[in-house]
Amino acid sequence: DQQVKQNSPSLSVQEGRISILNCDYTNSMFDYFLWYKKYPAEGPTFLISISSIKDKNEDGRFTVFLNKSAKHLSLHIVPSQPGDSAVYFCAVQGAQKLVFGQGTRLTINP
Amino acid sequence: DAGITQSPRYKITETGRQVTLMCHQTWSHSYMFWYRQDLGHGLRLIYYSAAADITDKGEVPDGYVVSRSKTENFPLTLESATRSQTSVYFCASGGLDSYNEQFFGPGTRLTVL
Repeated sequence: DQQVKQNSPSLSVQEGRISILNCDYTNSMFDYFLWYKKYPAEGPTFLISISSIKDKNEDGRFTVFLNKSAKHLSLHIVPSQPGDSAVYFCAVQGAQKLVFGQGTRLTINP
Repeated sequence: DAGITQSPRYKITETGRQVTLMCHQTWSHSYMFWYRQDLGHGLRLIYYSAAADITDKGEVPDGYVVSRSKTENFPLTLESATRSQTSVYFCASGGLDSYNEQFFGPGTRLTVL
């Protein structure tokens, strides 16, 4: 019973174009959502977050959108750069802990 | 150095052996967490701790034991390792007001033969 799903295991995007990573969750009580980025042989690092009172949050090239009625979260990266190639995890805040999705491997092609 | 460290970074062991993975953080964060990362499953929570001497189970606690006698340390013990516990293990920490923005260690790659 996965509470957080990232249905695309991988995504390939051309450098300079937009990357869109998606995440669905099941529990409408979740109120804080995060994206983490992970490079090989390193631990995940926090990227951007959004609370349920907002529907959009921007930080430079990264924007997170929240659609509460659809229980859907997305991360937009514009423009995509080679250094963005990594695994991206979405996460939702549960009681005292985070629940993570399976991850999406993003590859940016030159 | 400030931050969160894990040791060892790589470990190979045999089925049935006891293994302890170490985690140390220098931020005095209240919360600490242990995750395992497996293909197709993402990051799954094994155990977490809200403070010294307070621990609780996560999603996949079976076969693991934790302790937290000091705020800065959170060791994870596999009492009798099994092949299904071959994985990459990540420790993380977070403050009382920001436990959701967790800071992760570099990971330990464990292979159980």
